[in-house]
Amino acid sequence: QVQLQESGPGLGKSSETLSLTCTVSGGPIGSYYWSWIRQPPGKGLEWIGYIYYDGTTNYNPSLRSRVTMSVDTSKSQFSLRLSSVTAADSALYYCAGSGTYGTFEYWGQGTLVTVSS
Amino acid sequence: DIVMTQSPDSLAVSLGERATINCKSSQSVLYSSNNKNSLAWYQLKPRQPPELLIYWASTRASGVPDRFSGSGSGTDFTLTISSLQAEDVAVYYCQQYYTTPWTFGQGTKVEIK
Repeated sequence: QVQLQESGPGLGKSSETLSLTCTVSGGPIGSYYWSWIRQPPGKGLEWIGYIYYDGTTNYNPSLRSRVTMSVDTSKSQFSLRLSSVTAADSALYYCAGSGTYGTFEYWGQGTLVTVSS
Repeated sequence: DIVMTQSPDSLAVSLGERATINCKSSQSVLYSSNNKNSLAWYQLKPRQPPELLIYWASTRASGVPDRFSGSGSGTDFTLTISSLQAEDVAVYYCQQYYTTPWTFGQGTKVEIK
């Protein structure tokens, strides 16, 4: 069974860059599209984007100018960098895996990120 | 972007009774290549990873109890819990994967009456 685990700082400062990593275990990183999804406190889910094992990316246009995703197949990890963060980027960040069509079959537990001024 | 709108925002149902959640998309999510609707449902509980319940609008994911069912086509979809159990207390989200950016509804909170 594929398992995902997010890691990264839980606190960040406004205008800096947020960096998170997701480690994939129990299955090959090459089989799925790997996404980041976030949930601000008291709000719904927002898809940030995905990366495939070959480095192909697809970002949500609402965040595209600030998002960079990368993958390290040797470590079975993929990462998110979100630049110029503000308090509005405070959220529970999930990593998730989807097959060809975009249903999120596998999810991490989520990691809470708080951006302070 | 395709906007997904769920109703109601919350509902309280007695144990053993039926719970029904609606989801409407701002455009059709019918995938022409396979004639299936690109609509999924998820269950979110605090401090747990979200769980995929339904995909292609009506196909239950592996291990999901058969009291959960999905229906609908085009722009209007429904998630039904036929007999609510205590462990079903959660927030439920619909999601379209017809086109990126993939988008979610705002969520429906299900509680016990």
